[in-house]
Amino acid sequence: SQQGEEDPQALSIQEGENATMNCSYKTSINNLQWYRQNSGRGLVHLILIRSNEREKHSGRLRVTLDTSKKSSSLLITASRAADTASYFCATDSGGSYIPTFGRGTSLIVHP
Amino acid sequence: KAGVTQTPRYLIKTRGQQVTLSCSPISGHRSVSWYQQTPGQGLQFLFEYFSETQRNKGNFPGRFSGRQFSNSRSEMNVSTLELGDSALYLCASRSSTGNTEAFFGQGTRLTVV
Repeated sequence: SQQGEEDPQALSIQEGENATMNCSYKTSINNLQWYRQNSGRGLVHLILIRSNEREKHSGRLRVTLDTSKKSSSLLITASRAADTASYFCATDSGGSYIPTFGRGTSLIVHP
Repeated sequence: KAGVTQTPRYLIKTRGQQVTLSCSPISGHRSVSWYQQTPGQGLQFLFEYFSETQRNKGNFPGRFSGRQFSNSRSEMNVSTLELGDSALYLCASRSSTGNTEAFFGQGTRLTVV
């Protein structure tokens, strides 16, 4: 079963626009990560945010975490056609540290 | 450093057959996890191996099994294949069980006909 659920399921924007994806989860977490998957390929790790952190940046990516609302958001600024992919949030909890994935947001960036 | 290598990339099998998938983790990584990805269920955790021992297991039937060798390479086996086993099988390696960042292979696309 999924721990995290991404919203929206699909997002279509123009190059240069910002893309925001949200993730909600059910139980307390150790960490939350965001991954990207290009069509039918493996997942690539983007960013990790720990439960005691509120915001993290990496290049054009900005991730926020609100543990009181059990939610996170991923913002991609100045999107490019190459950002077209599915984006997944993954959480881990307890002592296993095994990431559990949501169903993902499919992002299409039109050139 | 070489990434996670999964073989084969594509497989077509017939219902009732069995299949073995292989995963070589990043050098030095001792934790290997397997996931099944389907359009309907998303990414589902199958199991994790560390130091040749299964450490965690997801909610899959006993037809799905795995093992890990002393060099950390892992294999996953599915017996008595069903049509619903058609999926992308992803392997992920982690440096240790206490580190959550996972590095994924390109996956094996299994089609059961």
